[in-house]
Amino acid sequence: DAGVIQSPRHEVTEMGQEVTLRCKPISGHNSLFWYRQTMMRGLELLIYFNNNVPIDDSGMPEDRFSAKMPNASFSTLKIQPSEPRDSAVYFCASSERLAAKNQETQYFGPGTRLLVL
Amino acid sequence: AQSVSQHNHHVILSEAASLELGCNYSYGGTVNLFWYVQYPGQHLQLLLKYFSGDPLVKGIKGFEAEFIKSKFSFNLRKPSVQWSDTAEYFCAVRGRFGAGTRLTVKP
Repeated sequence: DAGVIQSPRHEVTEMGQEVTLRCKPISGHNSLFWYRQTMMRGLELLIYFNNNVPIDDSGMPEDRFSAKMPNASFSTLKIQPSEPRDSAVYFCASSERLAAKNQETQYFGPGTRLLVL
Repeated sequence: AQSVSQHNHHVILSEAASLELGCNYSYGGTVNLFWYVQYPGQHLQLLLKYFSGDPLVKGIKGFEAEFIKSKFSFNLRKPSVQWSDTAEYFCAVRGRFGAGTRLTVKP
């Protein structure tokens, strides 16, 4: 398996523009996570999907952020409009749920490095 | 509120020193616990995980962690660090991460 795939790997955009980050989880995994990592705030969990349904979006910073998972093999994280403070590395991770509810291991994608000017 | 706390933001050690990084959580009930490492310029890698059984967990690269349920802790240890262990270390519980601890090992 190719692992978790994220695109683009790097994105530079101007303030006010829409940004769409994409993620393809590992085939067969039923949970997907979006994280953001910055020097100031560290690693933050933005949203978590299970079986394509958003379960916990309490980490989504504000209405400018939205995430979708239209099917088991694809998810997007959209920022509209983008602001300089959104500059960060955005990670997608997927996991498979084993027999016991909490027994799962996350596999991370390489991340998308976003710079908003 | 549910949280994961890593006590040390930055730890500086000399090679061959022993390492212990703290991790405490506030979740109740059954938890699954992870330690991840992120080397400079690279993405996250899983070091070790605990689901059940022996509370002393062995991971890759000589790392181990001990789950102490009564203390809600899952501290990471290594008896003798190397310069190549310089990285950021994250504790995670149920998908939520601690703020991370940056480890610098001086040669």
